[in-house]
Amino acid sequence: AQSVTQLDSQVPVFEEAPVELRCNYSSSVSVYLFWYVQYPNQGLQLLLKYLSGSTLVESINGFEAEFNKSQTSFHLRKPSVHISDTAEYFCAVSGSGNTGKLIFGQGTTLQVKP
Amino acid sequence: NAGVTQTPKFQVLKTGQSMTLQCAQDMNHEYMSWYRQDPGMGLRLIHYSVGAGITDQGEVPNGYNVSRSTTEDFPLRLLSAAPSQTSVYFCASSYYTGDTEAFFGQGTRLTVV
Repeated sequence: AQSVTQLDSQVPVFEEAPVELRCNYSSSVSVYLFWYVQYPNQGLQLLLKYLSGSTLVESINGFEAEFNKSQTSFHLRKPSVHISDTAEYFCAVSGSGNTGKLIFGQGTTLQVKP
Repeated sequence: NAGVTQTPKFQVLKTGQSMTLQCAQDMNHEYMSWYRQDPGMGLRLIHYSVGAGITDQGEVPNGYNVSRSTTEDFPLRLLSAAPSQTSVYFCASSYYTGDTEAFFGQGTRLTVV
């Protein structure tokens, strides 16, 4: 069985400050890892994903996440946040060849303050 | 390109009533799924389907039925609504292999009174 734990339910941060949203996973098989973002009153959108290869993956809007197999973590970081980054962020895992089934963490609300 | 379309966006039901949440995708994805989103609990998988005629249970299937007669449509049925089913429901679709992006609908906010 697979599971995902997001360690912070809410992360308040001032604009232009760095941020880290933490995610740990548990799985007995190799996995694919994802971060999704949900803006208010919208569905989820893919932010970035790790499948294989380089352990550092980046999104087009400045977020990055690092896959750490030994610590079973996939933390999301951004060196300088904007007001527009205010949203809920979900870490998710799917087992390789697992028919597309995604298991989500509890979500972290990022609140960017001016 | 419409992507994943869910209807309705909002619904209020009385306890014991039944209803169907509709989900349609136009990307020819094999895999479709239904999640419910509750505060502090993230998204929990209700049912999923890997292709027409094939469905399976997720983490929280009780009280919900699904069927998949076509690749495009994956409706979720509540047979006898209960207050515990008050939630936001999301439909998602993706390719079969698990390594591609899942596309989500806009959600249905359901209140059972």
